[in-house]
Order: sequence, then C-alpha cells, then structure tokens
Amino acid sequence: QSALTQPRSVSGSPGQSVTISCTGTISDIGDYRYVSWYQQHPGKAPKLLIFDVSDRPSGVPDRFSGSKSGTTASLTISGLQAEDEADYYCRSYAGNSLYVFGTGTRVTVL
Amino acid sequence: QVQLAQSGAEVKKPGASVNVSCKASGYTFTTYWIHWVRQAPGQGLEWMGVINPTGGRTTYAPSFQGRLTMTTDTSTSTAYMELTGLRSADTAVYYCSVGSQCGGDCYPDYWGQGSLVIVSS
Repeated sequence: QSALTQPRSVSGSPGQSVTISCTGTISDIGDYRYVSWYQQHPGKAPKLLIFDVSDRPSGVPDRFSGSKSGTTASLTISGLQAEDEADYYCRSYAGNSLYVFGTGTRVTVL
Repeated sequence: QVQLAQSGAEVKKPGASVNVSCKASGYTFTTYWIHWVRQAPGQGLEWMGVINPTGGRTTYAPSFQGRLTMTTDTSTSTAYMELTGLRSADTAVYYCSVGSQCGGDCYPDYWGQGSLVIVSS
C-alpha cells in the first residue's frame, strides 16, 4: 500500500487555474470512484474539498473541481485566490476497508 | 455541531506506548466510522486505520499491523488509539476524524484538533 503520487508543488497567479494530479494504481484509484481531496493550511486540520471523485461538500466553492481518468485523479482550482495557498492531499479507497493518501502538493499563489 | 476533542501532547521514550483519546459530541457516536491519521513534522498525511463504533470492527494500515489498536467506548462517545513500540519516526500529530460526508463512501469531514506525540530519549 504505497502513497499516491502527487507533484511536490504547483503555482499560479491570482485568477489563473492550476491542476494537481494524483497517480495511483489499478488497486486504488483505478478500481474505485472513492477519491477525495483535502486542503490543509499550516497548523490546521485537513478540510474536505472533494469526495466521490467530483462532488463538493456544502460550502466548498465551485472553483474546486475533481475528475478521474484511469489510475489518475485530478483537482483543479479555477480563479486562484490568495487563500488557496495551502497543501492539498488526495485520498483513495484501496479495497478491504483500506485507504491511502497522496504525497501532498504545496500550492503557491504568486 | 460535530466536535472531536483530543487528548493533549505527550512525550514518550522509545519503546514505550501512547494512548490518544478522541471524545465526540454533537452526533450519535455509533453512526459514523472514526479514522485516525497522522502527520510527521513537515511531512504528509498518513492514514492509520478506521474503526466502526458499532461493534468495534477495525482495519489497520499494513505498516502499523501489530503495533496499533483502536477502540471505542460508546458509553462516553470516546475513541482511543494506542500505538506501541514507539520509535522516533512515530513523532507526529495524530488526528481522529469522523466519516460523516457520505456519498458512495463516507469521508472524514470533521477532525479533532490533533494530538502531538514526541518520541525522544
């Protein structure tokens, strides 16, 4: 059960869009639609942004969107804002009640 | 309003055990599974395991097998995480979270404040 692979960092200017990839295997992302994304600001607990690949919990702006193709999931942040500067983690179900997080991506707003 | 209140920071010596508690309020405790996640300093999130408060069924990440025990006390709406054989690599903030955002699966969307565990001789 290895961590899902994310880019270490991505950056963009305010108003731009950025996309974070999350690469797994046929045993996790490739086999289930139970992918979620979390945002974490320094010193804070993670916040759920996306669940079931592309659904947003109530209160999460529609600037955040998720998708999946094969063994790779993606999170897109449109209209980047200063408060979006944070760490982002994907998470996938891996069967048998097991879960795995991604390695994490630092988003920097230039 | 769902709240998860975790126990305070602990300093342990290598080889010792630690027990972190997570007291839930604002919902029916047996409704949602409880996940435990840890984060070493400057590192990413690591899923440790999950417990179903109804019946106590657990699933642990393979990397913790044999060292990790999760339990719940439904009379006090409290979950516990015990990690044994501590080593320096176990120094981390430990979070409990409740899988209450349900779609095809149920996802943790309420989190405790985190409990810092430092392992040092």
